[in-house]
Amino acid sequence: GAGVSQSPSNKVTEKGKDVELRCDPISGHTALYWYRQSLGQGLEFLIYFQGNSAPDKSGLPSDRFSAERTGGSVSTLTIQRTQQEDSAVYLCASSPRPGAGSPLHFGNGTRLTVT
Amino acid sequence: DQQVKQNSPSLSVQEGRISILNCDYTNSMFDYFLWYKKYPAEGPTFLISISSIKDKNEDGRFTVFLNKSAKHLSLHIVPSQPGDSAVYFCAASLYNFNKFYFGSGTKLNVKP
Repeated sequence: GAGVSQSPSNKVTEKGKDVELRCDPISGHTALYWYRQSLGQGLEFLIYFQGNSAPDKSGLPSDRFSAERTGGSVSTLTIQRTQQEDSAVYLCASSPRPGAGSPLHFGNGTRLTVT
Repeated sequence: DQQVKQNSPSLSVQEGRISILNCDYTNSMFDYFLWYKKYPAEGPTFLISISSIKDKNEDGRFTVFLNKSAKHLSLHIVPSQPGDSAVYFCAASLYNFNKFYFGSGTKLNVKP
Protein backbone atom coordinates (compact mmCIF):
# COMPACT_ATOMS: atom_id res chain seq x y z
CA GLY A 1 0.00 0.00 0.00
CA ALA A 2 0.95 3.65 -0.26
CA GLY A 3 3.31 5.03 2.32
CA VAL A 4 3.45 8.45 3.90
CA SER A 5 3.54 11.10 1.20
CA GLN A 6 5.06 14.55 1.67
CA SER A 7 5.05 17.53 -0.64
CA PRO A 8 6.91 19.36 -1.89
CA SER A 9 10.06 17.27 -1.74
CA ASN A 10 12.17 20.41 -1.94
CA LYS A 11 11.35 24.02 -1.16
CA VAL A 12 13.57 27.05 -1.49
CA THR A 13 12.19 30.24 -0.05
CA GLU A 14 13.39 33.69 0.80
CA LYS A 15 13.80 34.77 4.38
CA GLY A 16 10.60 36.29 5.69
CA LYS A 17 8.24 34.35 3.44
CA ASP A 18 5.67 31.84 4.69
CA VAL A 19 5.78 28.19 3.67
CA GLU A 20 3.35 25.29 3.89
CA LEU A 21 4.45 21.68 4.00
CA ARG A 22 1.97 18.90 3.40
CA CYS A 23 1.76 15.36 4.72
CA ASP A 24 -0.56 12.55 3.63
CA PRO A 25 -0.31 9.76 6.22
CA ILE A 26 -0.96 6.11 5.61
CA SER A 27 -4.69 5.49 5.41
CA GLY A 28 -6.11 4.40 8.73
CA HIS A 29 -3.17 5.61 10.78
CA THR A 30 -4.51 7.62 13.68
CA ALA A 31 -1.24 9.07 14.95
CA LEU A 32 0.72 11.67 12.98
CA TYR A 33 4.03 13.29 13.86
CA TRP A 34 6.21 16.06 12.49
CA TYR A 35 9.95 15.96 13.06
CA ARG A 36 12.76 17.96 11.56
CA GLN A 37 16.40 17.20 11.00
CA SER A 38 18.84 20.05 10.79
CA LEU A 39 22.27 19.48 9.31
CA GLY A 40 24.31 17.16 11.55
CA GLN A 41 21.55 16.88 14.12
CA GLY A 42 19.16 14.16 15.17
CA LEU A 43 15.46 14.15 14.53
CA GLU A 44 13.79 16.87 16.54
CA PHE A 45 10.18 16.34 17.60
CA LEU A 46 7.85 19.15 16.57
CA ILE A 47 4.21 18.15 17.01
CA TYR A 48 1.99 15.09 17.44
CA PHE A 49 -1.65 14.50 16.47
CA GLN A 50 -3.80 11.62 17.69
CA GLY A 51 -7.34 11.30 16.46
CA ASN A 52 -9.53 14.15 17.66
CA SER A 53 -7.42 14.87 20.73
CA ALA A 54 -5.66 18.18 21.20
CA PRO A 55 -2.25 17.99 19.54
CA ASP A 56 0.98 17.87 21.52
CA LYS A 57 2.70 21.04 20.34
CA SER A 58 5.49 20.95 22.88
CA GLY A 59 8.22 20.63 20.25
CA LEU A 60 7.34 23.63 18.10
CA PRO A 61 10.37 25.93 18.34
CA SER A 62 8.49 29.23 18.10
CA ASP A 63 5.08 30.72 17.48
CA ARG A 64 6.01 31.08 13.81
CA PHE A 65 5.37 27.34 13.54
CA SER A 66 1.89 25.88 13.44
CA ALA A 67 0.28 22.71 12.17
CA GLU A 68 -3.15 21.36 11.60
CA ARG A 69 -4.63 18.05 10.68
CA THR A 70 -7.88 18.10 8.79
CA GLY A 71 -10.40 15.29 9.06
CA GLY A 72 -7.95 13.13 10.92
CA SER A 73 -5.92 12.65 7.76
CA VAL A 74 -3.87 15.23 5.84
CA SER A 75 -1.64 17.53 7.87
CA THR A 76 -0.09 20.86 7.00
CA LEU A 77 2.90 22.38 8.77
CA THR A 78 3.11 26.15 8.31
CA ILE A 79 6.16 28.25 9.01
CA GLN A 80 5.58 31.99 8.98
CA ARG A 81 8.26 34.61 8.35
CA THR A 82 10.88 31.95 7.68
CA GLN A 83 14.39 32.38 9.05
CA GLN A 84 17.62 30.81 7.86
CA GLU A 85 17.75 28.59 10.94
CA ASP A 86 14.50 27.01 9.76
CA SER A 87 16.45 25.31 6.96
CA ALA A 88 16.15 21.58 7.58
CA VAL A 89 14.50 18.41 6.35
CA TYR A 90 10.97 18.24 7.70
CA LEU A 91 9.77 14.68 8.20
CA CYS A 92 6.24 13.51 8.70
CA ALA A 93 5.45 10.12 10.19
CA SER A 94 2.32 8.19 11.01
CA SER A 95 1.54 5.12 13.05
CA PRO A 96 -1.57 2.94 13.29
CA ARG A 97 -2.08 3.61 16.98
CA PRO A 98 -0.64 5.83 19.68
CA GLY A 99 2.15 4.84 21.98
CA ALA A 100 5.79 3.98 21.60
CA GLY A 101 5.00 0.35 20.91
CA SER A 102 3.88 1.26 17.42
CA PRO A 103 6.89 2.24 15.27
CA LEU A 104 6.65 5.27 13.04
CA HIS A 105 6.34 5.16 9.27
CA PHE A 106 8.16 8.13 7.81
CA GLY A 107 7.70 10.00 4.58
CA ASN A 108 10.68 11.04 2.47
CA GLY A 109 10.65 14.52 3.92
CA THR A 110 10.60 18.07 2.60
CA ARG A 111 13.97 19.73 2.34
CA LEU A 112 13.46 23.40 3.19
CA THR A 113 16.13 25.92 2.31
CA VAL A 114 15.71 29.50 3.47
CA THR A 115 17.95 31.93 1.59
CA ASP B 1 19.53 18.78 26.04
CA GLN B 2 19.89 15.63 23.99
CA GLN B 3 18.53 12.61 25.81
CA VAL B 4 19.69 10.11 23.20
CA LYS B 5 23.24 10.26 21.92
CA GLN B 6 25.11 8.52 19.16
CA ASN B 7 28.69 9.54 19.64
CA SER B 8 30.09 8.00 16.49
CA PRO B 9 29.03 9.98 13.43
CA SER B 10 30.43 7.36 11.08
CA LEU B 11 31.61 3.76 10.93
CA SER B 12 33.33 1.84 8.15
CA VAL B 13 33.26 -1.97 8.05
CA GLN B 14 34.36 -4.62 5.60
CA GLU B 15 31.66 -6.72 3.97
CA GLY B 16 31.04 -9.92 5.91
CA ARG B 17 32.30 -8.51 9.20
CA ILE B 18 30.26 -7.37 12.17
CA SER B 19 28.98 -3.79 12.42
CA ILE B 20 28.37 -2.48 15.93
CA LEU B 21 26.49 0.78 16.31
CA ASN B 22 26.21 2.32 19.76
CA CYS B 23 23.70 4.54 21.47
CA ASP B 24 23.55 6.07 24.94
CA TYR B 25 20.62 7.65 26.72
CA THR B 26 20.27 9.75 29.82
CA ASN B 27 16.65 9.25 30.91
CA SER B 28 16.39 6.13 33.04
CA MET B 29 12.61 6.18 32.57
CA PHE B 30 12.87 5.25 28.91
CA ASP B 31 11.50 1.78 28.45
CA TYR B 32 11.26 1.28 24.71
CA PHE B 33 14.04 1.58 22.19
CA LEU B 34 14.11 1.44 18.42
CA TRP B 35 16.59 1.51 15.56
CA TYR B 36 15.81 3.11 12.23
CA LYS B 37 17.75 2.98 8.98
CA LYS B 38 17.82 5.88 6.55
CA TYR B 39 18.97 5.96 2.96
CA PRO B 40 19.70 9.31 1.25
CA ALA B 41 16.61 11.23 0.15
CA GLU B 42 14.34 8.77 1.95
CA GLY B 43 12.66 8.83 5.31
CA PRO B 44 13.88 6.57 8.12
CA THR B 45 12.50 3.05 8.12
CA PHE B 46 11.95 0.98 11.22
CA LEU B 47 14.50 -1.78 11.73
CA ILE B 48 14.21 -3.38 15.16
CA SER B 49 13.03 -2.54 18.66
CA ILE B 50 13.47 -3.70 22.22
CA SER B 51 11.57 -3.10 25.41
CA SER B 52 13.27 -2.63 28.73
CA ILE B 53 12.10 -5.98 30.02
CA LYS B 54 14.53 -7.63 27.63
CA ASP B 55 18.26 -7.29 27.15
CA LYS B 56 18.43 -8.72 23.64
CA ASN B 57 16.24 -8.90 20.58
CA GLU B 58 17.22 -10.60 17.37
CA ASP B 59 15.82 -10.37 13.85
CA GLY B 60 17.83 -12.11 11.19
CA ARG B 61 21.19 -10.41 10.81
CA PHE B 62 20.20 -7.65 13.24
CA THR B 63 20.47 -7.90 17.02
CA VAL B 64 19.86 -5.14 19.52
CA PHE B 65 21.38 -5.33 22.98
CA LEU B 66 20.18 -3.24 25.92
CA ASN B 67 22.23 -2.54 29.04
CA LYS B 68 19.89 -0.66 31.34
CA SER B 69 22.40 -0.12 34.12
CA ALA B 70 24.75 1.57 31.66
CA LYS B 71 21.90 3.25 29.77
CA HIS B 72 23.40 1.91 26.60
CA LEU B 73 22.14 0.02 23.61
CA SER B 74 23.85 -1.32 20.58
CA LEU B 75 22.89 -2.68 17.19
CA HIS B 76 24.88 -5.57 15.77
CA ILE B 77 24.73 -6.43 12.08
CA VAL B 78 26.23 -9.79 11.18
CA PRO B 79 27.33 -10.32 8.48
CA SER B 80 27.42 -6.79 7.15
CA GLN B 81 26.45 -6.27 3.53
CA PRO B 82 27.05 -3.30 1.20
CA GLY B 83 23.28 -2.71 1.12
CA ASP B 84 23.43 -2.00 4.85
CA SER B 85 25.29 1.23 4.09
CA ALA B 86 22.98 3.91 5.46
CA VAL B 87 22.51 6.23 8.42
CA TYR B 88 21.27 4.46 11.53
CA PHE B 89 19.27 6.30 14.17
CA CYS B 90 18.47 5.02 17.61
CA ALA B 91 15.36 6.28 19.36
CA ALA B 92 13.91 5.97 22.83
CA SER B 93 10.56 6.54 24.43
CA LEU B 94 8.32 5.87 27.34
CA TYR B 95 6.03 3.06 26.25
CA ASN B 96 2.81 4.83 27.18
CA PHE B 97 3.87 8.15 25.73
CA ASN B 98 3.92 9.33 22.19
CA LYS B 99 7.17 11.22 21.89
CA PHE B 100 10.22 9.51 20.46
CA TYR B 101 13.68 10.92 21.15
CA PHE B 102 16.21 10.34 18.40
CA GLY B 103 19.97 10.33 18.32
CA SER B 104 21.94 12.21 15.68
CA GLY B 105 22.66 9.10 13.65
CA THR B 106 25.67 7.01 12.65
CA LYS B 107 26.59 6.70 9.00
CA LEU B 108 27.59 3.11 8.25
CA ASN B 109 29.68 2.33 5.20
CA VAL B 110 30.09 -1.35 4.35
CA LYS B 111 32.94 -1.80 1.92
CA PRO B 112 32.71 -4.61 -0.65
